[in-house]
Amino acid sequence: QQQVKQSPQSLIVQKGGISIINCAYENTAFDYFPWYQQFPGKGPALLIAIRPDVSEKKEGRFTISFNKSAKQFSLHIMDSQPGDSATYFCAASSLTNTGNQFYFGTGTSLTVIP
Amino acid sequence: DSGVTQTPKHLITATGQRVTLRCSPRSGDLSVYWYQQSLDQGLQFLIQYYNGEERAKGNILERFSAQQFPDLHSELNLSSLELGDSALYFCASSPGQRTDTQYFGPGTRLTVL
Repeated sequence: QQQVKQSPQSLIVQKGGISIINCAYENTAFDYFPWYQQFPGKGPALLIAIRPDVSEKKEGRFTISFNKSAKQFSLHIMDSQPGDSATYFCAASSLTNTGNQFYFGTGTSLTVIP
Repeated sequence: DSGVTQTPKHLITATGQRVTLRCSPRSGDLSVYWYQQSLDQGLQFLIQYYNGEERAKGNILERFSAQQFPDLHSELNLSSLELGDSALYFCASSPGQRTDTQYFGPGTRLTVL
C-alpha cells in the first residue's frame, strides 16, 4: 500500500511558468514532509521541507503548501527554469522513539521547455 | 557532492548470487539509511542504522541484510539474487537517529542477469 500518493507522474511546463506537484497521505502520525529533487544519475537531494504546524513554507522559487485537514501537501515552483527539469519526490516521515521511517511518493518527472 | 560515498557504482551479477554494497556516511553522521529505487516501485526505504544499531526497518526482504560498523560505514548484503532485485540502491546519512535531513549518496546500480 502506497503511504504517500503523488501526482502527476509527469509534467511539462513552459519556462517562466508555475509547476505544481501534489501529494496526499493517510497516516496522521507523519510529522515531517520533505521534497527531494533528483537529476539523472544522481541521488535525491533535499529541496525543501515542512512540518504540520505551518501551512506554507517558501524558499526562493520553491513553496510547500500544507493542508493538514485534507492530508495533502504540494510543491510549487515559481518561474520554472530549464535547470529545474528533474524528478521530484515528496516524502513523509514519522519520528519514532528509535528512528525515522521515510515513505516516498512515486515521483514526478518535470520538464521545463525553454 | 553530498559527502556520502557508495561503492561500487555499478554491479552486474547473476541470479542466485550474493553481493555486498558499501556506504560511507558524511563525516560526523551517525545514521545510515538504505533505499531501493526501481522503476515500478519508486524509492523504498529498507533500513536505518544509528551508531551501529538497527533503528528502523522498512520493506526489506529477508534475503537482504545490513550492518553498520564501528567506523560507521555500512554494508548492505543482498543474497539469492533475483531478476527483480535489479535496481538502484541508495545510501543516505544524517547526523542523528531522529534527524530530518538526509544526505544521499550517488547510488549503486545493480543489474541481475
